[in-house]
Amino acid sequence: QTVVTQEPSISVSPGGTVTLTCGLSSGSVSTSYYPSWYQQTPGQAPRTLIYSTNVRSSGVPDRFSGSFLGKKAALTITGAQEDDESHYYCVLYRDSGIWVFGGGTKLTVL
Amino acid sequence: QVQLVQSGAEVKKPGASVKVSCKASGYSFTNYGISWVRQAPGQGLEWMGWISAYKGDTNYAQSFQGRVTMTTDTSTTTAYMELRRLRSDDTAVYYCARVLDALDIWGQGTVVTVSS
Repeated sequence: QTVVTQEPSISVSPGGTVTLTCGLSSGSVSTSYYPSWYQQTPGQAPRTLIYSTNVRSSGVPDRFSGSFLGKKAALTITGAQEDDESHYYCVLYRDSGIWVFGGGTKLTVL
Repeated sequence: QVQLVQSGAEVKKPGASVKVSCKASGYSFTNYGISWVRQAPGQGLEWMGWISAYKGDTNYAQSFQGRVTMTTDTSTTTAYMELRRLRSDDTAVYYCARVLDALDIWGQGTVVTVSS
């Protein structure tokens, strides 16, 4: 069973840079997992930020970027703003239409 | 514009079934799939399954197999998710999302409450 791992919580100062990661309990994340990233604020539907590792969804500011960091997919926020304080979820694609969510990272900007 | 509009909130008793709809507009419905994702109160997002709007092929998360059925109606560009034998821990917000390379467009969510 695929288990997707994320940091439970991370803090960043306003204007700072922060990287969230998305890994596997066993093995490395690669492009074949089509890693994607979603932002969710309380009471709202998720918003797609990044898909296929590093493609920004329409309307997403370029301070959000996706990449790989070692064996993991990564989401980097450059110049963090107070309204970036949210939950962030990564999702990995498995075979035959199966998608697996990570447990999410709560990002605090303070 | 591209959007997914879901049906309204539901309250069900344990053991009952619920069917949530997801009306798509603004794009070619059969060129994408639809995934269903749920979120229990205070919890993370949980992928439930996927359906191809073109062929109707499905793939369900193991934890829902045998209890969930996903269908589409191409004439009305609507996707449906039915969950049976509801339990109290099925209380959640249920989302549909358009799928190609990612879950790129999301519905607004449907609150399903299971309570006796």
